[in-house]
Amino acid sequence: KQEVTQIPAALSVPEGENLVLNCSFTDSAIYNLQWFRQDPGKGLTSLLLIQSSQREQTSGRLNASLDKSSGRSTLYIAASQPGDSATYLCAVTNSGGSNYKLTFGKGTLLTVNP
Amino acid sequence: ETGVTQSPTHLIKTRGQQVTLRCSSQSGHNTVSWYQQALGQGPQFIFQYYREEENGRGNFPPRFSGLQFPNYSSELNVNALELDDSALYLCASSLQTGANEQFFGPGTRLTVL
Repeated sequence: KQEVTQIPAALSVPEGENLVLNCSFTDSAIYNLQWFRQDPGKGLTSLLLIQSSQREQTSGRLNASLDKSSGRSTLYIAASQPGDSATYLCAVTNSGGSNYKLTFGKGTLLTVNP
Repeated sequence: ETGVTQSPTHLIKTRGQQVTLRCSSQSGHNTVSWYQQALGQGPQFIFQYYREEENGRGNFPPRFSGLQFPNYSSELNVNALELDDSALYLCASSLQTGANEQFFGPGTRLTVL
């Protein structure tokens, strides 16, 4: 059974810092990995999707890397801003028979202080 | 292009009642998935509908049921509500089933008293 863990559970940083969020998964047989952002009580906004054949994806100040063999992904946020404050969720899609569903971690609650 | 929409936004029910939540998929998408997100937890997969048929199901009891309509919109029905059913219910649509990118709606917040 796939399990996804995100560390740390919460992170507070001053504005302007670069930061790294971590995601690990127990079954390396994945098809892709997605990072989402969730504002309090709201839905999920997709940030980056990395296919299993890729090593990283970039969008603006965000960079996500994937090491499938070790079951790890990181989300790097450069020059953080107060507007980046949110919960960041990592989710994987397994390859094989259950490739229709996302398995999520519990998320990292990020607070960027002005 | 219209994104995924869900209704209602908020809902309050009492234990034992039944509830229906609705989702309209993004234009051109034929697959809808439902997730339950309890407070402080990541979303948990409930089930997926592809071309009006249930395509996969998570570890939820039969009192959680769904429908998908010919226009690919979907309903999630929950019977005999329990206090633990209080959660944010998220709908996601995708172009096809399988490992395709899923696009999420804003969610329905269900409170069971």
